[in-house]
Amino acid sequence: EPEVTQTPSHQVTQMGQEVILRCVPISNHLYFYWYRQILGQKVEFLVSFYNNEISEKSEIFDDQFSVERPDGSNFTLKIRSTKLEDSAMYFCASTREETQYFGPGTRLLVL
Amino acid sequence: GENVEQHPSTLSVQEGDSAVIKCTYSDSASNYFPWYKQELGKGPQLIIDIRSNVGEKKDQRIAVTLNKTAKHFSLHITETQPEDSAVYFCAAVGGSGGSNYKLTFGKGTLLTVNP
Repeated sequence: EPEVTQTPSHQVTQMGQEVILRCVPISNHLYFYWYRQILGQKVEFLVSFYNNEISEKSEIFDDQFSVERPDGSNFTLKIRSTKLEDSAMYFCASTREETQYFGPGTRLLVL
Repeated sequence: GENVEQHPSTLSVQEGDSAVIKCTYSDSASNYFPWYKQELGKGPQLIIDIRSNVGEKKDQRIAVTLNKTAKHFSLHITETQPEDSAVYFCAAVGGSGGSNYKLTFGKGTLLTVNP
């Protein structure tokens, strides 16, 4: 069964550094998402991406964040200058219609 | 925007008992309601979903009910087993559809099934 995959599984970085989180969505899916989950809290929407452009972004997704689909398979989330409060699990999801399938997540720790 | 409230935040049951988790949503245009199970250190896994044109859906020990008028939906797990222990999230997708099916999640319910 096709799965969404994410790399790395864990990332530790220093405050102010750039990080890139990578996702490989399910191959025939059309819509791609990033969500984050701060420890012990609910999953929060960051951004949706369709037809090679952002279709919606949340207030969390400020100028420090960007997304890209550089080729036909990868979908990346870049944080330009990480802050302590960016520490969280970041989940990628993809869908053809409504049902979203989530990857296993990347745990980001900013020191 | 959409707001989803979920109760209870924790639920402890004995093996074999039933568990019920309830959610309410605010956007009457929302039309799709999935439930996800999240085990420790893993991503959310879809367990069941319901669309707004259906009042109830069942899949073995799991069922979901939807009341559009009251804007609430519930997850029912019967004959609970220890492996059902996890955090359960409800979610809603707004009616805008089109190029966005973003999920708004509830805060989650930690279900513990005691053997």
